Amino acid sequence: KAGVTQTPRYLIKTRGQQVTLSCSPISGHRSVSWYQQTPGQGLQFLFEYFSETQRNKGNFPGRFSGRQFSNSRSEMNVSTLELGDSALYLCASREASGSDTQYFGPGTRLTVL
Amino acid sequence: AQSVSQHNHHVILSEAASLELGCNYSYGGTVNLFWYVQYPGQHLQLLLKYFSGDPLVKGIKGFEAEFIKSKFSFNLRKPSVQWSDTAEYFCAVNAASSYKLIFGSGTRLLVRP
Repeated sequence: KAGVTQTPRYLIKTRGQQVTLSCSPISGHRSVSWYQQTPGQGLQFLFEYFSETQRNKGNFPGRFSGRQFSNSRSEMNVSTLELGDSALYLCASREASGSDTQYFGPGTRLTVL
Repeated sequence: AQSVSQHNHHVILSEAASLELGCNYSYGGTVNLFWYVQYPGQHLQLLLKYFSGDPLVKGIKGFEAEFIKSKFSFNLRKPSVQWSDTAEYFCAVNAASSYKLIFGSGTRLLVRP
């Protein structure tokens, strides 16, 4: 099976702009979670989607949002970008049929100038 | 709130040395435990996991970990490291009722040939 794919792999934006990141889970996986990885804060949970519904949310401001489509693909959006949003954004998928193991994609490297 | 502590931020070993990376978590209920590895330039990969049963779990590439419930610990071990084990290692926990992974701050391992 193909792994988790994320697009784009790299993004450069300026403050105030918005950005949309995409994640395609492993085939058959119905749950998608998003994480932010920074040198200072490490890996932090953003949110999880299952069956197009957000099931869990981390401690991030409302500028961070996401959605999941009927084919389990997910997008996350960050509006009004700030310099501190520069990070590696990781997507992880899970089968959600008893297995709690999350498999990670390569990430999208977002740089905010 | 749940938290995960990794005691060693940087570890330097020579090839064939033994490795033990510490991981402690704080959570009073049932947890699932994971070790992930991030090789240079690659994405997070699952090394091993513990859900229940035998507290000594074996993972890929000769790694193993032992869950000691009374100590809230899940230490990672390898009897003899190789240069190719150079990577960053992350311990992660989720409550059995949640799929939100809480990560430790990571341990950077450098294995000298």
